[in-house]
Amino acid sequence: AQSVAQPEDQVNVAEGNPLTVKCTYSVSGNPYLFWYVQYPNRGLQFLLKYITGDNLVKGSYGFEAEFNKSQTSFHLKKPSALVSDSALYFCAVRDASGNQGGKLIFGQGTELSVKP
Amino acid sequence: KAGVTQTPRYLIKTRGQQVTLSCSPISGHRSVSWYQQTPGQGLQFLFEYFSETQRNKGNFPGRFSGRQFSNSRSEMNVSTLELGDSALYLCASSQGRGLDAGELFFGEGSRLTVL
Repeated sequence: AQSVAQPEDQVNVAEGNPLTVKCTYSVSGNPYLFWYVQYPNRGLQFLLKYITGDNLVKGSYGFEAEFNKSQTSFHLKKPSALVSDSALYFCAVRDASGNQGGKLIFGQGTELSVKP
Repeated sequence: KAGVTQTPRYLIKTRGQQVTLSCSPISGHRSVSWYQQTPGQGLQFLFEYFSETQRNKGNFPGRFSGRQFSNSRSEMNVSTLELGDSALYLCASSQGRGLDAGELFFGEGSRLTVL
């Protein structure tokens, strides 16, 4: 069964410092990985995805993620955090079993808090 | 290009009632999927529609149903509401389906409160 784990419920970072939000996955076959961000009372906004190719994926708002196949990880990173980055972040994997195209399996989410 | 539009944004119902939520996907997107978000269970997949056919269904009781129209707009219905159905219901669209569907684009959600 395919699954995603975000081991940290909350991450606290000072503004200007680098941030990392962790994600590990378990899939059969090639992983299709995504990061989304959710602001209070809003829907999910797409940040970036890994399908194939370079292990370092660049996305929106200065975020990037590093795919590591040996560690089955897909950590989200940003070199310099902003207070406005404070939000709920979700890692997701597309269910590649059968013909499950639209189905994303989400992690539990990580609350990122960036303090000035 | 307009994003995914969900209506209503907020609604309050009482136990036993039914509710219908609507979703208009991004123009040109033919796949619509629905998710339920709760603090306890997180984001859970409800179902996916493509070309007016349900292609995929999550592990929810039969009280949860949906449909898709020829213009790709979708509705989901929950009958005999229970307190535990209180949640944010999110609709997402994508151009295609399968492994090449790309990313999902989400609407703002419909927040349902069941009293």
